[in-house]
Amino acid sequence: NAGVTQTPKFQVLKTGQSMTLQCAQDMNHEYMSWYRQDPGMGLRLIHYSVGAGITDQGEVPNGYNVSRSTTEDFPLRLLSAAPSQTSVYFCASSETYGTEAFFGQGTRLTVV
Amino acid sequence: GQQLNQSPQSMFIQEGEDVSMNCTSSSIFNTWLWYKQDPGEGPVLLIALYKAGELTSNGRLTAQFGITRKDSFLNISASIPSDVGIYFCAGQGEGYSTLTFGKGTMLLVSP
Repeated sequence: NAGVTQTPKFQVLKTGQSMTLQCAQDMNHEYMSWYRQDPGMGLRLIHYSVGAGITDQGEVPNGYNVSRSTTEDFPLRLLSAAPSQTSVYFCASSETYGTEAFFGQGTRLTVV
Repeated sequence: GQQLNQSPQSMFIQEGEDVSMNCTSSSIFNTWLWYKQDPGEGPVLLIALYKAGELTSNGRLTAQFGITRKDSFLNISASIPSDVGIYFCAGQGEGYSTLTFGKGTMLLVSP
């Protein structure tokens, strides 16, 4: 099993550009989430989904959109990139709410 | 929202030493998880705890779910250079709440 796969691994954007970070899992997990990791801030929850068609906001949702059309995929969209969104983004999945989460390898995003 | 206080922020130790780190919360947690993150990688689950008082080992790692349900600790015995990384605690509070992560403990091991 591949587990949780994120693409791309690295990305540089100009301010104002939009892009989609891809996340796919092959463990048939219902729960998926997106985190951002910044130095000294730990992992902060952006958006999460408890199943196909259901999404909700986390701690830091502004500037990001998500959708969940299938169990496997949970893309994160940056609508208009800002330098404050320079970060490492992690996608995670778990069987249910609050249980063991499995993480992807991360996407390192720089907005200039 | 719920917050976790993880300490220490960083540790620099000699190979062979034992290490202890902990997380505390002002509210009750139902689940405690401990993760390790290697440089350039995503966090990897080390130990999961689901019951108050539970003590679980994974090789040289031992973690405990505090009796009060407001804290957890992780011990690493006889540290080796590959233990270097950032260790995160994570917990789920009561009800259907999402995981909350601590800010991490950076561990450096000198050979």
